Amino acid sequence: EAQVTQNPRYLITVTGKKLTVTCSQNMNHEYMSWYRQDPGLGLRQIYYSMNVEVTDKGDVPEGYKVSRKEKRNFPLILESPSPNQTSLYFCASSSRVAGTDTQYFGPGTRLTVL
Amino acid sequence: AQSVAQPEDQVNVAEGNPLTVKCTYSVSGNPYLFWYVQYPNRGLQFLLKYITGDNLVKGSYGFEAEFNKSQTSFHLKKPSALVSDSALYFCAVRGYRDDKIIFGKGTRLHILP
Repeated sequence: EAQVTQNPRYLITVTGKKLTVTCSQNMNHEYMSWYRQDPGLGLRQIYYSMNVEVTDKGDVPEGYKVSRKEKRNFPLILESPSPNQTSLYFCASSSRVAGTDTQYFGPGTRLTVL
Repeated sequence: AQSVAQPEDQVNVAEGNPLTVKCTYSVSGNPYLFWYVQYPNRGLQFLLKYITGDNLVKGSYGFEAEFNKSQTSFHLKKPSALVSDSALYFCAVRGYRDDKIIFGKGTRLHILP
């Protein structure tokens, strides 16, 4: 089954404690992306990756890091989380082959930073 | 800079009536336009997209959208609403030469029985 998986689904942590949210896709997509969803603000892109070892900032990259060492994985790293990073996070992947470009989303990770 | 506007935070429609969820955009060059739906406690699901070709695009669950280049709009429509259509709808845009994808703030659709 084609899917994007994220772990963990729920996480409560404290300010300053480093954490990683994993994202993996099994569709051989070259494009992967992280979003955060906040009430009234919709989805905002944090980082995206066009392919292995190619990453770039989205609209709200501050406080986040990413890496793309393998095509299927795109972890999101919060090295020193703060309460304003409490949010619902989605990973997505897509192919840029002409005529596709449809993003497939993971189930989401609800993060609370105390 | 790319942008997407969904001017209505919420739309209420009676079951069986037609529905429209509005979206306008701004990009450089030709746009790639998308609609996604989010049901409660779920991730986003793809509904439909416009890349090129016919301005009227048909998608999942009986939804369709019309690309209007002169008005820079991509409104989502359905001829007859169902209660099960109640959800949060997002419009998204990417410029042809852009890598970033911009989402609107979402419109909550309530279908009243």
